[in-house]
Amino acid sequence: KQEVTQIPAALSVPEGENLVLNCSFTDSAIYNLQWFRQDPGKGLTSLLLIQSSQREQTSGRLNASLDKSSGRSTLYIAASQPGDSATYLCAPGGSARQLTFGSGTQLTVLP
Amino acid sequence: NAGVTQTPKFQVLKTGQSMTLQCAQDMNHEYMSWYRQDPGMGLRLIHYSVGAGITDQGEVPNGYNVSRSTTEDFPLRLLSAAPSQTSVYFCASQGFSGNTIYFGEGSWLTVV
Repeated sequence: KQEVTQIPAALSVPEGENLVLNCSFTDSAIYNLQWFRQDPGKGLTSLLLIQSSQREQTSGRLNASLDKSSGRSTLYIAASQPGDSATYLCAPGGSARQLTFGSGTQLTVLP
Repeated sequence: NAGVTQTPKFQVLKTGQSMTLQCAQDMNHEYMSWYRQDPGMGLRLIHYSVGAGITDQGEVPNGYNVSRSTTEDFPLRLLSAAPSQTSVYFCASQGFSGNTIYFGEGSWLTVV
C-alpha cells in the first residue's frame, strides 16, 4: 500500500522567500507524481505533473523534482507571494491513474 | 466545456438514508475516480474506473457503491448513510493519453 508523507505540515514565511516542500512515498512503482494546490473550501488545482521517466518539471515560479528510486519529490516555490497561501498536496499516481495523497503542507505567505 | 461536474454541492442526510452523488465529465476521459477528504487525513480513494463497465475498489470502499455504464458518468452511491461518511467528496477524471487530471468542485455531505 502506497503511503505518502509531506513535511512540513505547516509553513509560514515572509513574502519573497524561496521555499521547498517535501514529499516522500513508500512504493516507487508509480506512473507519475502530481502536485496540487487547494484553497480553503475549494477543489484541487493541478500545478505540476512529473512522469515517472522524468526528473523535474517547471511552471513559472514552481519547480518540482522527482527521485523515484528514493521515493522523494520536492516542490520549490521561488519568490513566494501572499497569493501562494494554500495547502499543497503531493500525489503519486498508479497505473490506473488512481492517486494516493499526502496530508498536505499548509503554506502561509505573510505580506 | 464544463469539465467535471459534481452534484449536489451540499447535502444533509439522516443516518440510514441512501443517496447518490453524481459525477459527469464531458472530455471523453477513460479514467474516473472518487475521493473523500477528511480533516488531517488528506484525500483517500474510494472507487475508481478505467473505462465504461470497469470499476475497482480503492482504499476506503466500504459503504459505497459505483457503476460506470457510460464513459461520461460515474455516480457514487451511499447505501445506508452513517455519521462516519460525513466528508467532502471529490470526483476526478483523466484521459488515457492526457496529463492533466481534472477534479470536480466537491460535494459536502453531512450525515446526522
